[in-house]
Amino acid sequence: EAQLAESGGGLVQPGGSLRLSCAASGVTFSPFNMNWVRQAPGKGLEWLASISSSGSTIQYADFVKGRFTISRDNAKNSLYLQLDSLRAEDTATYYCARDSYYFDSSGYHGVPFDYWGQGTLVTVSS
Amino acid sequence: DIQMTQSPSSLSASVGERVTITCRASQDVRNDLGWFQQKPGKAPKRLIYAASSLQSGVPSRFSGSGSGTEFTLTISSLQPEDFATYYCLQHNSYPRTFGQGTKVEIK
Repeated sequence: EAQLAESGGGLVQPGGSLRLSCAASGVTFSPFNMNWVRQAPGKGLEWLASISSSGSTIQYADFVKGRFTISRDNAKNSLYLQLDSLRAEDTATYYCARDSYYFDSSGYHGVPFDYWGQGTLVTVSS
Repeated sequence: DIQMTQSPSSLSASVGERVTITCRASQDVRNDLGWFQQKPGKAPKRLIYAASSLQSGVPSRFSGSGSGTEFTLTISSLQPEDFATYYCLQHNSYPRTFGQGTKVEIK
């Protein structure tokens, strides 16, 4: 079955660090841009970061710049998110999600989030 | 940043009813707009991409329309499995931004 599977979440103290992983199986990984999205308990969805297929282009939401680092290893079909200097407000379920493409008369167009993982919960608390 | 405003934030509807959810962008996003469905405890699922293209495998009762700053998700005949929260997302520019969500509940 095609899937993305996150791991690495858990309980961490404020100021601590975690490294989240997202493993792709049965899902074509290397040609596609990848993303992290989070959802605080009872709240909406929040985009965090995107990384291009080669890893050469990265975008971050302003509120995570300097604290979170996205990376990927195409040989391992894996995406990562390093979370540093964690705060209570970073408590959320973290999802990885793949971009896809469609083709029309004007060429190829990227579209976000055709595949999602099941999420991994990060709790920041003392 | 582009702000995405969804309305309503919640609605109650009966099975078989037609439901419309609106998403307004604070600036032109062309057709770089998707719609997602999320059920409790589950990951979101893409329903619509490029404002009006139906994701493969999604029932045809779902449709999307609009371009520029005004977009609509329509469920033509609400089914029991459609009770969920729906989000729009713009990807015309970074940061990608979601609407705040519309919770569709059973009347």
